[in-house]
Amino acid sequence: ETGVTQTPRHLVMGMTNKKSLKCEQHLGHNAMYWYKQSAKKPLELMFVYNFKEQTENNSVPSRFSPECPNSSHLFLHLHTLQPEDSALYLCASSGGLVGRQQYFGPGTRLTVT
Amino acid sequence: GENVEQHPSTLSVQEGDSAVIKCTYSDSASNYFPWYKQELGKGPQLIIDIRSNVGEKKDQRIAVTLNKTAKHFSLHITETQPEDSAVYFCAASITGANNLFFGTGTRLTVIP
Repeated sequence: ETGVTQTPRHLVMGMTNKKSLKCEQHLGHNAMYWYKQSAKKPLELMFVYNFKEQTENNSVPSRFSPECPNSSHLFLHLHTLQPEDSALYLCASSGGLVGRQQYFGPGTRLTVT
Repeated sequence: GENVEQHPSTLSVQEGDSAVIKCTYSDSASNYFPWYKQELGKGPQLIIDIRSNVGEKKDQRIAVTLNKTAKHFSLHITETQPEDSAVYFCAASITGANNLFFGTGTRLTVIP
């Protein structure tokens, strides 16, 4: 499945670092999502963009900052993270809002040291 | 908000046997119920979904049933194969809403 790509696939960063996660979808979709996947917990929706406009921010700490320059690209900027932020970060896209199939990328495995 | 519970958390079956995973939801307004399969190192992939206007949907060896009254839905996999081994997630949402509410996942192992 190459419709949604994410880079990097693995990232190790210190708590004082600044890094960015990138997501790109090649499906012509207009909605994009960031999820956090932690062990033994449900996928947590973080942000939703529809036609480049943020439509959802699920009480995510400000150390996570999303950016959606166009309908094909989505970034998650990270700064001063905490060890509990270590998780798999998944990007998804869909042809409309929820109720249509979401296509997920492979995720970025983030480790905060 | 919506709360989705999923059981069991782990499931082991012999190859060829059937596997059933069950989910319950709390919001009676939810009307879209997808199931995702996540293999190691990959993101979740949609395998089947059902909307609230139908009670059952089948796709080859996979079927999903929905009981709106009881607010539960189930995934049935028949004639399981080793390649069915993965983590399966159920989810619920309202069409047009932003949120997909996921269950905690079921790790299915098919023993050859």
